[in-house]
Amino acid sequence: GNSVTQMEGPVTLSEEAFLTINCTYTATGYPSLFWYVQYPGEGLQLLLKATKADDKGSNKGFEATYRKETTSFHLEKGSVQVSDSAVYFCALSDNFNKFYFGSGTKLNVKP
Amino acid sequence: GAVVSQHPSWVICKSGTSVKIECRSLDFQATTMFWYRQFPKQSLMLMATSNEGSKATYEQGVEKDKFLINHASLTLSTLTVTSAHPEDSSFYICSAKQGSSYEQYFGPGTRLTVT
Repeated sequence: GNSVTQMEGPVTLSEEAFLTINCTYTATGYPSLFWYVQYPGEGLQLLLKATKADDKGSNKGFEATYRKETTSFHLEKGSVQVSDSAVYFCALSDNFNKFYFGSGTKLNVKP
Repeated sequence: GAVVSQHPSWVICKSGTSVKIECRSLDFQATTMFWYRQFPKQSLMLMATSNEGSKATYEQGVEKDKFLINHASLTLSTLTVTSAHPEDSSFYICSAKQGSSYEQYFGPGTRLTVT
């Protein structure tokens, strides 16, 4: 079956530090992969996506590369800001009608 | 961007009563809406998928007689928790999308507490 595993948080970083949030997946087919972000008091928002192997999704300085060989889609950012503090969810979908989410990783960025 | 609202944002009800949660797409027509349940520090669990004008499709293990979903229009879906019990206390999230697009837009969630 399909499932997503992401690193437990919270992750606490100082401003301008490098961020990596690990995400691995299990899928029966060739899914699309997503990262969503949830700011306090708001709904989840799509951050970036990749639809096939070796694709790199990017947005707002965040990047993630679809690695089929390691079944991974790790989220990275070179220099985090306080405003990046949020909960990040990795997800997959193989038909856009059903999405499987990881448990979320809370990121705290300190000034 | 597209906006999805949920109402109420927080509700407390007594055990045995029913509670209705609304999910609205404010600026687009939502052909498909999803209802999720989220436990603390756990992932979003898909409860059901509803298409406008059709019966909802429930995920395995979700009691359809307990969690009634209605998607009567292209902008509104409702989730009714019937005969609520304390174990139904949770955070319920809806999302909506158009057609076959991958992009789904999430509501801010509703916190249900059953006493």
